[in-house]
Order: sequence, then structure tokens, then C-alpha cells
Amino acid sequence: DAGITQSPRHKVTETGTPVTLRCHQTENHRYMYWYRQDPGHGLRLIHYSYGVKDTDKGEVSDGYSVSRSKTEDFLLTLESATSSQTSVYFCAINPGITGANVLTFGAGSRLTVL
Amino acid sequence: AQSVTQLDSQVPVFEEAPVELRCNYSSSVSVYLFWYVQYPNQGLQLLLKYLSGSTLVESINGFEAEFNKSQTSFHLRKPSVHISDTAEYFCAVMAQGGSEKLVFGKGTKLTVNP
Repeated sequence: DAGITQSPRHKVTETGTPVTLRCHQTENHRYMYWYRQDPGHGLRLIHYSYGVKDTDKGEVSDGYSVSRSKTEDFLLTLESATSSQTSVYFCAINPGITGANVLTFGAGSRLTVL
Repeated sequence: AQSVTQLDSQVPVFEEAPVELRCNYSSSVSVYLFWYVQYPNQGLQLLLKYLSGSTLVESINGFEAEFNKSQTSFHLRKPSVHISDTAEYFCAVMAQGGSEKLVFGKGTKLTVNP
């Protein structure tokens, strides 16, 4: 989507390996999010950020860490990937109330952990 | 904390029939409400939102939703659906004046048959 890109778009890895997904925005939005989407579960929030170096946990944060060292990048790291982390991961950005709190989503990153 | 319940996981309808996708939310504070749509093999995009004011909100492609505070509902309706409306629809809630966390329901898969 315009203004937000995710990389890689597809990744296959093995159990126990570290994985980092990158979300990059060009909109200078304050808020950034990582969700995972699984059949029957909808989208579940993993972590979100409300500013540089300001992050907080979502409902499914175990096994994930994040970092935001600059406004435009929000990294999601799986320290030691497990098969239960096979999912489609979506990043989103939000300008806040000035933009009606509308989230714009990236195209998704499909991760398979063998 | 906020939560969302989408009462139907799948809704099959015939083309040109009316449809209602049900959404109930739970929150101890005032909320913003959203409907997002995900077409097959795509990311999520905003369909419509309720922030304040008129409780009936409309999208550009004929969908509407009504915020009912007493019933804590935000049901999505369309009087006549098209094949192209086939998609998964997600209801989402965000607390006002809070952390800008957006919580999603599990989604309703709408299938429009000819």
C-alpha cells in the first residue's frame, strides 16, 4: 500500500531460527502496529508503538519483540521461531486523531516455520 | 480493555439480496468503531468508521452501519449485494482518549452467490 511497505513478503524458515520482519513508512505517522492473522482468529495485536523507542505489548506478544529506533521503521523479531508462529503478519500505521485514527495496512508478510 | 464479537463467521447470500453482518463490542469507556474489508488475497482497507455525531455512517459503495450505544452494537448492512462484495469483513474498536490500540473481531466471511 502507498506509504507503507513490509519486507520480506514471504519467508520460510526452520524452528529455532531468529526472524526479523521490517515495516517501513513514508507518512511520518506516530503510531505503528504489528498484527498476525490466522484463520478463525481474525487479526490479533502483537505489539504497537506510539513513538520512537516507545512500544507496548498487545494480546499475543509472547515470543515476539519489537524495536523502533526511528519514526519510519518498526521491526518485529521472533527470537526463536516456532511452528505456532506460522502466520500472515500485517503492519499498520496511524496518524492519530488528526487522521480520524484510521489505520492503513501493509500488504502482509507470510511466514512459514517448518 | 475492549473486545469485539462478530456473531457470524460465514454469511452466504445470493446476489441482489440484502445482508447484515453483526458486530457487538464491549468497553468501559467511549469508543471509536470501524469496519475493515479484506478482499481475497489482499490486505485490509477501511470500509467505514464511527467517531462521533450521526450514529448512521455510510461507505461509498453502498454499505452502512449504525452505532447503537445501548445495545453496544455496530452492525453492517447493505440493501443489495454484488458478487464483488465477496470478502471478509472485520469489525474493530478503539477506546477514545486511550492508547490508540485497535482491537478486531474474528471476521465474517461474506460470500455472494449468483
